[in-house]
Amino acid sequence: SQQGEEDPQALSIQEGENATMNCSYKTSINNLQWYRQNSGRGLVHLILIRSNEREKHSGRLRVTLDTSKKSSSLLITASRAADTASYFCATHGQGAQKLVFGQGTRLTINP
Amino acid sequence: EAGVTQFPSHSVIEKGQTVTLRCDPISGHDNLYWYRRVMGKEIKFLLHFVKESKQDESGMPNNRFLAERTGGTYSTLKVQPAELEDSGVYFCASSAAWGAPGANVLTFGAGSRLTVL
Repeated sequence: SQQGEEDPQALSIQEGENATMNCSYKTSINNLQWYRQNSGRGLVHLILIRSNEREKHSGRLRVTLDTSKKSSSLLITASRAADTASYFCATHGQGAQKLVFGQGTRLTINP
Repeated sequence: EAGVTQFPSHSVIEKGQTVTLRCDPISGHDNLYWYRRVMGKEIKFLLHFVKESKQDESGMPNNRFLAERTGGTYSTLKVQPAELEDSGVYFCASSAAWGAPGANVLTFGAGSRLTVL
């Protein structure tokens, strides 16, 4: 299975702190993506990192990818209450067109 | 641009009944996907349409699930007869044709929550 697994399953921090979530996967990938889901809403794409990239930034988001360890991390800096959501990593396998998602990390930002 | 629309947002049915979920993708998106999330577990792939053709239906749980995309526009997912374990949130997503800008990124609908009693 290529399924991503996020770690931790739940994370609770104070507003202003940084949040780090990790993701592991099992097979070769073309790219890895992170999505956010606010309660009762659909998933929203945050960032995509290709297999030949090691780090990518977008605003307060920083994603790293280590293909030798088959792992990725998502760092959210200077967290805000609005960042409270579930975060999922998803992988596109080599030659595959579907995204494979993990279980997600539930992030809670306390004011 | 309208997003991906799903209907109904919530459906409560009894075991043995039939439910049909509908998804309207972003206009012009060739790719349409169905996913399901059960009880806070991982988001599981169900199937993938390219226009009106089923590209990959490897995630469909069993023959009680039937998905269609006639004309390559909206899609329906029918569960007949529904069982208790079918409860969960069904997400639809769409993306542009492969090779087009942004084709790797999926746009999701808000989901249809199905509760089977």
